[in-house]
Amino acid sequence: GAGVSQTPSNKVTEKGKYVELRCDPISGHTALYWYRQSLGQGPEFLIYFQGTGAADDSGLPNDRFFAVRPEGSVSTLKIQRTERGDSAVYLCASSLNPMNTEAFFGQGTRLTVV
Amino acid sequence: AQSVTQPDIHITVSEGASLELRCNYSYGATPYLFWYVQSPGQGLQLLLKYFSGDTLVQGIKGFEAEFKRSQSSFNLRKPSVHWSDAAEYFCASQTGANNLFFGTGTRLTVIP
Repeated sequence: GAGVSQTPSNKVTEKGKYVELRCDPISGHTALYWYRQSLGQGPEFLIYFQGTGAADDSGLPNDRFFAVRPEGSVSTLKIQRTERGDSAVYLCASSLNPMNTEAFFGQGTRLTVV
Repeated sequence: AQSVTQPDIHITVSEGASLELRCNYSYGATPYLFWYVQSPGQGLQLLLKYFSGDTLVQGIKGFEAEFKRSQSSFNLRKPSVHWSDAAEYFCASQTGANNLFFGTGTRLTVIP
């Protein structure tokens, strides 16, 4: 596609449920990033993929959060046993490679845990 | 540790007036520096970036930013603001191949 696509755009879930958020990066981009943006804050890094492997997952807040990118393209962020504090906009970005290139952001998935 | 500070939470300017948004970074070496803009319902869009070389960088939409090593700053400027510039602006830094560190953002309001 022309840009980074994230689905769904909005997700409302009940506390304790499991959710999956999807990111379709720009074709050919090897680097993929997930960020979380809480209200009134800047995006905070969660995890970075180079190809299929997670090169840096130091931003994942706890073991309820997990992400995969099995074929080096689409990525899925998975959140188990959701909590109200997980409510935020989850942003995905991709870049041609991680060095000296622009990261293009999707419009995000707004997750609301009720 | 790497950090980015945007000291102004909210700025209001009149249309046609000049604009300067402040950004300070904290890191031992000079990181890569970026300014992004986020409009309501839109994704983050890159305005400009600094990697090395000329310390005054030009971006899209008439924006520019100046890297000042002595002040650890990378302030964003525009000589004449348009109503469509109203948005949230984020400064970010990056070291090497690592992720972006974002500031908390500055919300710009433009009044007629």
